Amino acid sequence: AQKVTQAQTEISVVEKEDVTLDCVYETRDTTYYLFWYKQPPSGELVFLIRRNSFDEQNEISGRYSWNFQKSTSSFNFTITASQVVDSAVYFCALSDQNRDDKIIFGKGTRLHILP
Amino acid sequence: EPEVTQTPSHQVTQMGQEVILRCVPISNHLYFYWYRQILGQKVEFLVSFYNNEISEKSEIFDDQFSVERPDGSNFTLKIRSTKLEDSAMYFCASIRGGQGKETQYFGPGTRLLVL
Repeated sequence: AQKVTQAQTEISVVEKEDVTLDCVYETRDTTYYLFWYKQPPSGELVFLIRRNSFDEQNEISGRYSWNFQKSTSSFNFTITASQVVDSAVYFCALSDQNRDDKIIFGKGTRLHILP
Repeated sequence: EPEVTQTPSHQVTQMGQEVILRCVPISNHLYFYWYRQILGQKVEFLVSFYNNEISEKSEIFDDQFSVERPDGSNFTLKIRSTKLEDSAMYFCASIRGGQGKETQYFGPGTRLLVL
């Protein structure tokens, strides 16, 4: 069975601090995709990243970076120099490689960036 | 940039009424999905649809739910007799092909409130 665990329900940091959101996943598939989505207060799901299970290189996009560790089944997300606009709920998610590609979401981490 | 659209953005209905949520996936996409997010909870997979039939559905997707692609552009989710617990945000998503080669594009969601 597939499962995504985001142990941090809610995090608050002061603006300009760095913050890491944890994600641990379970799957029996050897090939899968991992995702992060941002859900701002307006409610839409904003795609941030998709990572193939064969690609363990870390990725950086501006202030965002992702650390994929297959050995520990983790796909953590770090925001550097956080800003108030980063306040949102962040979902980690997993999809398998069958043709349906349904996405299994974690419960989300609510991030508060305090001015 | 093409995007998934959903109508209405908000819908309020009385318990027991039928509702139809509409989605227009990206035009060359072939796989379509509905997800549900009860307020404050995670996003949950409901159903996937390919080649004019359901390819997978979750246990949430019971006999009260149905999906349809009535023409070449729309993809609808019907709830026959709404219950209070159907109140949620409903997201439509689509991808061009299977095998996880594409990112799922989510619509902005329809917020359904059942009174």
